[in-house]
Amino acid sequence: QSALTQPASVSGSPGQSISISCTGTTSDVGGYNYVSWYQQHPGKAPKLMIYGVSNRPSGVSNRFSGSKSGNTASLTISGLQAEDEADYYCSSYTGSSTYVFGTGTKVTVL
Amino acid sequence: QVQLQESGPGLVSPSGTLSLTCAVSGGAISSRDWWNWVRQPPGRGLEWIGEIYHSGSTNYNPSLKSRVTMSVDKSKNQFSLKLSSVTAADTAVYYCARIYCPDGVCSPYYFDYWGQGTLVTVSS
Repeated sequence: QSALTQPASVSGSPGQSISISCTGTTSDVGGYNYVSWYQQHPGKAPKLMIYGVSNRPSGVSNRFSGSKSGNTASLTISGLQAEDEADYYCSSYTGSSTYVFGTGTKVTVL
Repeated sequence: QVQLQESGPGLVSPSGTLSLTCAVSGGAISSRDWWNWVRQPPGRGLEWIGEIYHSGSTNYNPSLKSRVTMSVDKSKNQFSLKLSSVTAADTAVYYCARIYCPDGVCSPYYFDYWGQGTLVTVSS
């Protein structure tokens, strides 16, 4: 199974909105609504931000939202804040009882 | 609040076997959840290694399947990972994580709790 494809980096100014794409295949992203997104600050464990494509866990800011179209899922961060600077990873369950992660995107707040 | 804590040797010799344990607190490993291992080489992305159910059922990443063994110790509320024939490419931070399956339904399949991670270096 190949890693899902994400842009290496995305940047934006405080207050702006940015989107991170996550492209897979019909065997993972496109085949199921099982995409989740994780935020990882340096030296820390990943933190769940979005599950089931567009659902936010309790405690996660509503500035984070998710969507999917075909084989590509997206994470949007609106009202960008300095604390949002981190690495972001998408993940998808596959039809083979396995999971695959994205290549990761570094978000920089200018 | 479930908490996960990895433990094990931080240094493993090439061709040896990496062994890690994840202690689960705040919840029972005999719940209907699946227990996972994920790793992250220094400066690189996340890679799913595999998962285990309390019954001993497992699912592994096909790229690592030939070298991975997972087990559960219900008496100690912990699960373990063994990775054999390691090389420098196996140097990584290893995380344990939970796939939440309320009432036995894992959909929509997400990792909700993670351990803090433990760095394992493969070197002589």
